[in-house]
Amino acid sequence: DAGVTQSPTHLIKTRGQQVTLRCSPKSGHDTVSWYQQALGQGPQFIFQYYEEEERQRGNFPDRFSGHQFPNYSSELNVNALLLGDSALYLCASSLEGQTAYTEAFFGQGTRLTVV
Amino acid sequence: LAKTTQPISMDSYEGQEVNITCSHNNIATNDYITWYQQFPSQGPRFIIQGYKTKVTNEVASLFIPADRKSSTLSLPRVSLSDTAVYYCLVVGTGTASKLTFGTGTRLQVTL
Repeated sequence: DAGVTQSPTHLIKTRGQQVTLRCSPKSGHDTVSWYQQALGQGPQFIFQYYEEEERQRGNFPDRFSGHQFPNYSSELNVNALLLGDSALYLCASSLEGQTAYTEAFFGQGTRLTVV
Repeated sequence: LAKTTQPISMDSYEGQEVNITCSHNNIATNDYITWYQQFPSQGPRFIIQGYKTKVTNEVASLFIPADRKSSTLSLPRVSLSDTAVYYCLVVGTGTASKLTFGTGTRLQVTL
C-alpha cells in the first residue's frame, strides 16, 4: 500500500503565477482534504473533496481551488500567488460513510516557495 | 469545534516517560480526542484516539477522565526519535476528515 502520495515535493514559483499540486489518496480512501502549514504553525484546513465535489471549505480565498477525479485523486490550484502562500501543502485522505471516526492519513507534503 | 490548549513545548531525557496534557473544556458528546505526531517536513501521523477512560496501543496511551474536559497523552520511555510536534485534536463524528490543528506541543528529547 503506497499510502498518500503528493507531487511535486518541492516547488518554486514567482508572485502572480499559478500552481497545481497533486495528491493520490491511500488505497480504498474516497475523501481528500488539503491543508496549508506555515512555518511553526499547525496545518490549516483549506477544503475537502468527496464524490468529486467540494464538501467543506476553510477560511481561504477563491484563489484556492481544487478538483477530485473519479479515481479519488485530487488537485489543488492556487492562482495569483502571493509571498504569503509559501508553505507546506498537505494532502490527507480518509474514508467517509462510516459512523465512527476514521483516522486521516497525510502525505509528505509539497513545499511551495513563492519568490 | 472544541478548542484545545496544550503546552507549547516540553523537554525530556531519553528513557523517561512523557505526559502531554491537553485541555478541551467545550468538548461535545460525540467528539473524539485524537493525537497526531509530526516530524519536520513531513505530514502529521495519527498516534491514538479515544472517547473516554484509557486507550493504549503500541505507541502510546491516552488517558481521558470522566468529564472528558482534558486528556493526557503518555509516551513510555521516549527516545531521540520521538522528538516531534504533538497535536491534540477534538474531532466530531461525521467530520472526520476536517481536522482543526492548534500549534501543538514541541517535544525535545535529549540524551
